[in-house]
Amino acid sequence: QKEVEQNSGPLSVPEGAIASLNCTYSDRGSQSFFWYRQYSGKSPELIMFIYSNGDKEDGRFTAQLNKASQYVSLLIRDSQPSDSATYLCAVSEEGGSQGNLIFGKGTKLSVKP
Amino acid sequence: GAVVSQHPSRVICKSGTSVKIECRSLDFQATTMFWYRQFPKKSLMLMATSNEGSKATYEQGVEKDKFLINHASLTLSTLTVTSAHPEDSSFYICSARPSWGLAGSYEQYFGPGTRLTVT
Repeated sequence: QKEVEQNSGPLSVPEGAIASLNCTYSDRGSQSFFWYRQYSGKSPELIMFIYSNGDKEDGRFTAQLNKASQYVSLLIRDSQPSDSATYLCAVSEEGGSQGNLIFGKGTKLSVKP
Repeated sequence: GAVVSQHPSRVICKSGTSVKIECRSLDFQATTMFWYRQFPKKSLMLMATSNEGSKATYEQGVEKDKFLINHASLTLSTLTVTSAHPEDSSFYICSARPSWGLAGSYEQYFGPGTRLTVT
């Protein structure tokens, strides 16, 4: 069974610090990787995607992908209290025709002022 | 861009009645739409995948006769919860995959969700 694993947290960091969120996946064939942010009581919001090995930066966010290790991470620099949310890692399920994503259970991030 | 709406945002219904939830992609066409359910403090659970003009594909354990899905156009999918019971109370969220896609066409954009309470 294809799985996406995330530490459930909570991960607590002080304001201004770097938050590091990690994700591993089981399907070696996966090609596309996504990070979603979900505030309590709200639906997920796409914040980044990556599909090549290495780093991809967007503002305070950096996604890192290592396909050989089947590992993807999200770094949040200069963390703000407004970044406090659950972060979902999602991985493409290749081979099907539906374009499904496999979601991790999420890591809860708490940024303390 | 890539905005998905859902209606209603919140609904309360009596046990035994049916509820219809609409999901619309507002500024893009979506060949595929997904329906998820999320219980409080739990992870997203995919219920079904719908493609425009064809029957939905349901995940194991999801009753297709209870959760009716219709994807009549490239911008609209509906989920009808039939004969709802209190255990169906949950947060229902749809997502849409753009036809044009970016990262291998797998990205999904979520609607704001519908909170269903069955009394």
